[in-house]
Amino acid sequence: EMVMTQSPATLSVSPGEGATLSCRASQSVASNFAWYQQKPGQAPRLLIYAASTRATDVPARFSGSGSGTDFTLTISSLQSEDFAVYYCQQYNNWPLTFGGGTKVEIK
Amino acid sequence: QVQLQESGPGLVKPSQTLSLTCSVSGGSMSSTNYFWSWVRQPAGKGLEWIGRIYTSGSTNYNPSLKSRVTISIDRSKNQFSLRLSSVTAADTAVYYCAGGEYGFAVWGQGTTVTVSS
Repeated sequence: EMVMTQSPATLSVSPGEGATLSCRASQSVASNFAWYQQKPGQAPRLLIYAASTRATDVPARFSGSGSGTDFTLTISSLQSEDFAVYYCQQYNNWPLTFGGGTKVEIK
Repeated sequence: QVQLQESGPGLVKPSQTLSLTCSVSGGSMSSTNYFWSWVRQPAGKGLEWIGRIYTSGSTNYNPSLKSRVTISIDRSKNQFSLRLSSVTAADTAVYYCAGGEYGFAVWGQGTTVTVSS
């Protein structure tokens, strides 16, 4: 099973600052990779797919990069609504797997 | 815009079978290139993919659950369903249905299923 490791587990950021989240796959997933945002009591929301393509209606302050085994989600200037848990996911191999999540909290 | 809605019992007894249905609205399941999945999340924990089905009816399951899982589709009702047999307390979670071609673009709101006698 493909293991997805996210770091850090928690990221404390002040509003207006930038944030960089990382995800590493135990094997190459090419660019078959996605990022999700989840707020308390809500379903996850797709932010990025194909490693770097923003999903519909996702603000431009969210960007994804990487391929193979190492991926990054960058939030250029955090807004209040961006404080949430972020998950990475690979869809290159069965079973589809998610990372353990990075919680972005207000500093 | 496609929308998903889960339905089913919120309480299931140990050793019994959990059954959930996902109703798809806003478009025909068969008219998209989406695959349709079930994902679960125990309270305070991460996301676990359970399995998926294509509109053709072909399925893929998580090996960790494969012996207990069946996902089926009813194109006439624009629905797909999950059955998980021999449940234990470890199967207590929020269950989401989701759809997408590259990642999961659409999600249901989730339904909480508790396994308890």
